[in-house]
Amino acid sequence: DIQMTQSPSSLSASGGDRVTITCRASQDISNSLAWYQQKPGTGPKLLIYAASTLQSGVAYRFSGSGSGTDFTLTISSLQPEDVATYYCQQYNKAPPTFGQGTKVEVK
Amino acid sequence: EIQLLESGGGLVQPGGSLRLSCAASGFTFTNYAISWVRQAPGKGLECVSAISASGGTTYYADSVKGRFTISRDNSKNTLSLQMNSLRAEDTAVYYCAKPGSGWYGGGFDFWGQGTMVTVSS
Repeated sequence: DIQMTQSPSSLSASGGDRVTITCRASQDISNSLAWYQQKPGTGPKLLIYAASTLQSGVAYRFSGSGSGTDFTLTISSLQPEDVATYYCQQYNKAPPTFGQGTKVEVK
Repeated sequence: EIQLLESGGGLVQPGGSLRLSCAASGFTFTNYAISWVRQAPGKGLECVSAISASGGTTYYADSVKGRFTISRDNSKNTLSLQMNSLRAEDTAVYYCAKPGSGWYGGGFDFWGQGTMVTVSS
């Protein structure tokens, strides 16, 4: 199975800050990467697919980039409602696999 | 509106069985493979099983192979997961998840609210 490694595992930033989360795949996955946001007690919400395509209805402050093995999720201006855990997931090769998550807090 | 509604979770003793269901609505169910993704308390996400649109092809993670059986009824737009020989490490919230396309294409664009399975004596 393809291993997905996220960093950092957690971060704390001030409102309005630019936040970056990275995700590395253990092998080339082209652009077959999705990002999810999960708030406590709820299922994951798809933010980005195909590494950089914003899912309908998702705020424009979220963006994704990368291809091959290295990917990035950026929140351009952190808002209080962005407090959540974020996961990357590859779907290039079955089975789909997830990163371990990055917990984002607002100072 | 697309909806996935899981049910059937609960408390079961080690070695016991449980059957989860997922009722789908708001999309053409027969066009998509559907997956079960679980999340142990405080842990990450794991795809444990998936079934093709027709029901003819299935996937199981090694951790559940031989113990879990996935099935679907396309006439009723429902998905099931029969879980036997349950272990403490199967304790998790179980989600059904729909892909953007095909099996897993585009990631999982819709998720249910999840159903909690607790395996404990």
